[in-house]
Amino acid sequence: GQQLNQSPQSMFIQEGEDVSMNCTSSSIFNTWLWYKQDPGEGPVLLIALYKAGELTSNGRLTAQFGITRKDSFLNISASIPSDVGIYFCAGVYGSSNTGKLIFGQGTTLQVKP
Amino acid sequence: NAGVMQNPRHLVRRRGQEARLRCSPMKGHSHVYWYRQLPEEGLKFMVYLQKENIIDESGMPKERFSAEFPKEGPSILRIQQVVRGDSAAYFCASSEGGTLAGDTQYFGPGTRLTVL
Repeated sequence: GQQLNQSPQSMFIQEGEDVSMNCTSSSIFNTWLWYKQDPGEGPVLLIALYKAGELTSNGRLTAQFGITRKDSFLNISASIPSDVGIYFCAGVYGSSNTGKLIFGQGTTLQVKP
Repeated sequence: NAGVMQNPRHLVRRRGQEARLRCSPMKGHSHVYWYRQLPEEGLKFMVYLQKENIIDESGMPKERFSAEFPKEGPSILRIQQVVRGDSAAYFCASSEGGTLAGDTQYFGPGTRLTVL
């Protein structure tokens, strides 16, 4: 079935460092989305990608839709304490006609001031 | 612009009772999705609805669970005769539909269901 493998599972970094996380799949996805979830809250959309090869930035965040349509990465530059949270990749499966999202397992980010 | 609204935020039920979770989509959005999240896990798709229609319920358990999105009012996820394994966070998302960008889903704050 459709599955997204997200890595790393967790990261503990120093404030100011850059962060990189990625999602891979054996299946083709039409859309890649990156969300951040704080404890007790719903996922908040960070970046949406709709075309293979697309590279999109949102402030200190940059994400890319892989050329093969089977992967995506998210980079965070110059991390700050409020970047702490769980980051999820999500995708719309290639042959899906309903738009339902498949989620990765999440990357937990902790930032040391 | 109000985002996706969900209520209640927290719901406690005893085994065998019914749970009703409500979701009001963002203004202008006619597509609603429900997801379930267990602790330490990602979200799992349950059901996709448009006004008065269930489009995809492939992630919904066959028994005890039902969903609706009436012409007027919020979408409702209903769980009958709850069991402890139903304890989870339930999230609603909405989109405006029509295009790839229009399918981008925005999530509500979730309802945390605890079954005693």
